[in-house]
Amino acid sequence: DAGVTQSPTHLIKTRGQQVTLRCSPKSGHDTVSWYQQALGQGPQFIFQYYEEEERQRGNFPDRFSGHQFPNYSSELNVNALLLGDSALYLCASSLGGPGGYTFGSGTRLTVV
Amino acid sequence: GQQLNQSPQSMFIQEGEDVSMNCTSSSIFNTWLWYKQDPGEGPVLLIALYKAGELTSNGRLTAQFGITRKDSFLNISASIPSDVGIYFCAGQLYTGANNLFFGTGTRLTVIP
Repeated sequence: DAGVTQSPTHLIKTRGQQVTLRCSPKSGHDTVSWYQQALGQGPQFIFQYYEEEERQRGNFPDRFSGHQFPNYSSELNVNALLLGDSALYLCASSLGGPGGYTFGSGTRLTVV
Repeated sequence: GQQLNQSPQSMFIQEGEDVSMNCTSSSIFNTWLWYKQDPGEGPVLLIALYKAGELTSNGRLTAQFGITRKDSFLNISASIPSDVGIYFCAGQLYTGANNLFFGTGTRLTVIP
């Protein structure tokens, strides 16, 4: 049973560029959340998608946007990259109820 | 937003020793979760707690949901080398908003 899969694993982008990260949720899960984890810190909530709509959003600027597809997979887009966007981006899936999420291994984004 | 503080920030212990770490919040949560993160990986759920005062075990791990709903602790008994990693607490409100708020993490090193 595949867990949460994310691609790519690593990515290097130049400041000002745009990036798209992808996530396939665990089989049977319908809710996808994205988190940003800066080095040495805990993950910070970006947003959550359910039924192809953004259901919740954390304290992140509009440069961060996302999408959920009918098969529940999701994309995270970041425009106008800043050096401070360098982080591990984690995708997590769930059935939407209370309790824990299943996390992917993340995409390490480096902005230079 | 909610701030979760974990202590200690780091621990160095001998193999076989017991470990205790805790997490405190400025706000009430309805669910407390404990995750472990290995280098280059996403967090893995260890224990989920859903009720104030609840004490739950998972093998050598035991966690409790504080009565005030603003704190939780995690104990690891008879530590082994594979316990090495970063442990995060996470709180969840689930009153329409079910995203996770993560703590600052406790880095555990086990000396063989």
